[in-house]
Order: sequence, then C-alpha cells, then structure tokens
Amino acid sequence: EAGVAQSPRYKIIEKRQSVAFWCNPISGHATLYWYQQILGQGPKLLIQFQNNGVVDDSQLPKDRFSAERLKGVDSTLKIQPAKLEDSAVYLCASSLSSRGNSPLHFGNGTRLTVT
Amino acid sequence: KNEVEQSPQNLTAQEGEFITINCSYSVGISALHWLQQHPGGGIVSLFMLSSGKKKHGRLIATINIQEKHSSLHITASHPRDSAVYICAGTHAGGTSYGKLTFGQGTILTVHP
Repeated sequence: EAGVAQSPRYKIIEKRQSVAFWCNPISGHATLYWYQQILGQGPKLLIQFQNNGVVDDSQLPKDRFSAERLKGVDSTLKIQPAKLEDSAVYLCASSLSSRGNSPLHFGNGTRLTVT
Repeated sequence: KNEVEQSPQNLTAQEGEFITINCSYSVGISALHWLQQHPGGGIVSLFMLSSGKKKHGRLIATINIQEKHSSLHITASHPRDSAVYICAGTHAGGTSYGKLTFGQGTILTVHP
C-alpha cells in the first residue's frame, strides 16, 4: 500500500510570506492529523480531521494557520503570514479511524525554514 | 502532569544489551502507540496496543491496563536502534475522543 504522501519535502521562505503544505493520506483512512515538530521537541498536534470534519484544532494558531480537507481525502495546511518561530517539520499522519484501534502512518514531513 | 509520561528521557547502552523504555498513562487513554524517529528522519509506527503483548523482530511491546503502564523492549540492541522512541496514547471518549497525547520521547543511543 502507498504511504502518506507529503509535499514539498523542504521549503525556505522569508518571514511574513505565505506557505502551503499538502498531504495525501493512505487510501481509505478517515482520520488525518497535522503535527508541528520543532527541532528537539516532540510532535505537537495542530489539527485532526475525521473525514472532512474537524475533530480537534485547539492548538492551531488560527490567526495565521488554516487547514482544510474539503473532500475528506487530501489536505492542505497554510501559514499566512509566517513567523520565524514557525520553522519546524510539519508532519501529516493518517489512520483508518480515530477510535484508538488503528495504527498511525506518518508522512516524511515538510521541513520549513523561515528566515 | 502530562497524561503520558515516558522514562527515561535519555538512555545509553552498549551493543547487545537489553533495553526497556517505560510509559505510564492516565485514565481515559484506551490505546498506546510506540513510535520511532531516527535523527532527521520521519516517524515510524512500531506498535499499537490496547492489551497484552506484541512482538516484531527484536522489539517487544507490552501493556498492563490495570496499572496503566506500557513498556517497549529491545533485545540484542544494535547501533541502528539509536533513535527517539515516543509513546502516544489515544483517548477513549468524551471531548478528547480519538485525540492523541504524546510522551516526551526517549533518546536512545546504542554504542558499538
């Protein structure tokens, strides 16, 4: 089975610019997660989707971050405008369900550097 | 207090040693994931447990539901096992249903 696909792999932008990341989960996976991982820290959940509905976006900085999963399949995460502290790896993960009995599958991540 | 606590934070071992990483979790978590992340690499799911024990190669994961404790064991450790190991709990219900909470991670270094 194909894994979770993310693009781009790397992105360098200047502060105040905009950036978008794309994720295509494993086919049939209803649950999709976006995580932010700052160097040396564990992943921090930004948003969790169940199909095309948002389950948890409590830690998403909504003044600058937005995410959508319009057709319940692939998803985009946008940052506008970017700040220096947004430099991190943005990980997308998916699972068959959010009921806790499904393994997680992670993409390779997008490494964002904001200068 | 974090809902998922891992120990130790750092672990150094010699090649061939038996390694144990522990994870304690709070009420409301129904399943535990063990994840592995190599330096500069992506995250790989090793195990997902809601009861009992699972084994894959030299890796063994156990969970004790009554004590709310899980362990990841590595037998005959090898330098290529050097990575960050993370346990993450899935919440069973309420407003946190399906939410994942991560432990702090354990940095494992295996010397040849």
